[in-house]
Amino acid sequence: KAGVTQTPRYLIKTRGQQVTLSCSPISGHRSVSWYQQTPGQGLQFLFEYFSETQRNKGNFPGRFSGRQFSNSRSEMNVSTLELGDSALYLCASSFGGRDSDTQYFGPGTRLTVL
Amino acid sequence: KQEVTQIPAALSVPEGENLVLNCSFTDSAIYNLQWFRQDPGKGLTSLLLIQSSQREQTSGRLNASLDKSSGRSTLYIAASQPGDSATYLCAVGTYNQGGKLIFGQGTELSVKP
Repeated sequence: KAGVTQTPRYLIKTRGQQVTLSCSPISGHRSVSWYQQTPGQGLQFLFEYFSETQRNKGNFPGRFSGRQFSNSRSEMNVSTLELGDSALYLCASSFGGRDSDTQYFGPGTRLTVL
Repeated sequence: KQEVTQIPAALSVPEGENLVLNCSFTDSAIYNLQWFRQDPGKGLTSLLLIQSSQREQTSGRLNASLDKSSGRSTLYIAASQPGDSATYLCAVGTYNQGGKLIFGQGTELSVKP
């Protein structure tokens, strides 16, 4: 079956702009989580959506927001970009309800802020 | 606050060697623990998941163990191959946190031919 897909794969933006990233989960998965990966901080949890509701949120400023649609696809938006937002953004999907649920990650979106 | 630590940060071994990667966590009330592999610039590939009620899981040359009481997990790789070269990450899920995973910083493994 198809894996988790993320679009676009690469983005270059300038400070102050905003960006929207998209994630399509594995068919049947209802949970989508977003992570930011940087060399200094490693992988940090941004937020999780389950059945169109935000179920959990990490410690990121309000410039980072997301949403989930009825088909479980999710988008993440970052407004007023800063240089420090340059990172690999990963999304993961799972069934989301049991301790046996493996999370499957997409290939990521590489965001560069100039 | 849950913290996850992986030691060593980097490891270089000759091909064919058996090796152990370590992961420790500060709060034993975990939901599950997952091991992932990441190749440079790529996403994460799930290797093994251990539920909180389990002690170990095996897949091919990989074996992961979990000791909640001591806050430790190990990933054992048998007969290492150059294709095993990657960064290995462990991540814990905790109760009432939904799908949130807390990751260690990873161990960068290099297997020399």
